[in-house]
Amino acid sequence: DTGVSQDPRHKITKRGQNVTFRCDPISEHNRLYWYRQTLGQGPEFLTYFQNEAQLEKSRLLSNRFSAERPKGSFSTLEIQRTEQGDSAMYLCASSRTSGPLRVDTQYFGPGTRLTVL
Amino acid sequence: AQTVTQSQPEMSVQEAETVTLSCTYDTSESNYYLFWYKQPPSRQMILVIRQEAYKQQNATENRFSVNFQKAAKSFSLKISDSQLGDTAMYFCAFMYGGAGKLIFGQGTTLQVKP
Repeated sequence: DTGVSQDPRHKITKRGQNVTFRCDPISEHNRLYWYRQTLGQGPEFLTYFQNEAQLEKSRLLSNRFSAERPKGSFSTLEIQRTEQGDSAMYLCASSRTSGPLRVDTQYFGPGTRLTVL
Repeated sequence: AQTVTQSQPEMSVQEAETVTLSCTYDTSESNYYLFWYKQPPSRQMILVIRQEAYKQQNATENRFSVNFQKAAKSFSLKISDSQLGDTAMYFCAFMYGGAGKLIFGQGTTLQVKP
């Protein structure tokens, strides 16, 4: 396994611009998760997919945020009309879940650090 | 709603000594899992240890062990023979069975001193 990868690792943008992040999960992992982490805090859940289906979205996720996983492999997270409060580390994780009640370990990527000026 | 609380923002320990990080959680679920993740400075988060709530035996992974007190809703992490490479932020996390999301605590920054 090559691990979860995220691109870009760093993104600086101006307020009001749109940004898109990409996450490539570990191959054959059917679940993919997005979290947001602000400095000195624990990650907060944003959304997750099982294959291409988006199964849950956090109420924290405003309508400026959208995520896709079109073919059940990589995923993108887009933020429209960025605000300074969007500045954070965006983490992606993946897992291979084999049953509805089974909990499998989530493996995290290195994150994308977003700075909104 | 489930919550996870880590009451120690920062801790330090001398190399080769033992340290215990605290975590409490609140849930009404019966089927759940608890995790400790480690996030070294500028590096990605990795799993340290996990515990299934239905298991009475405390999980261990080499120098890492947990003290799982289900009735008290407490889940502490003990690191024995601390090493410089253990310096990191440690997060306690909760997930109930069948759910996708991890719920994290605020984290404890651990500094191992030579």
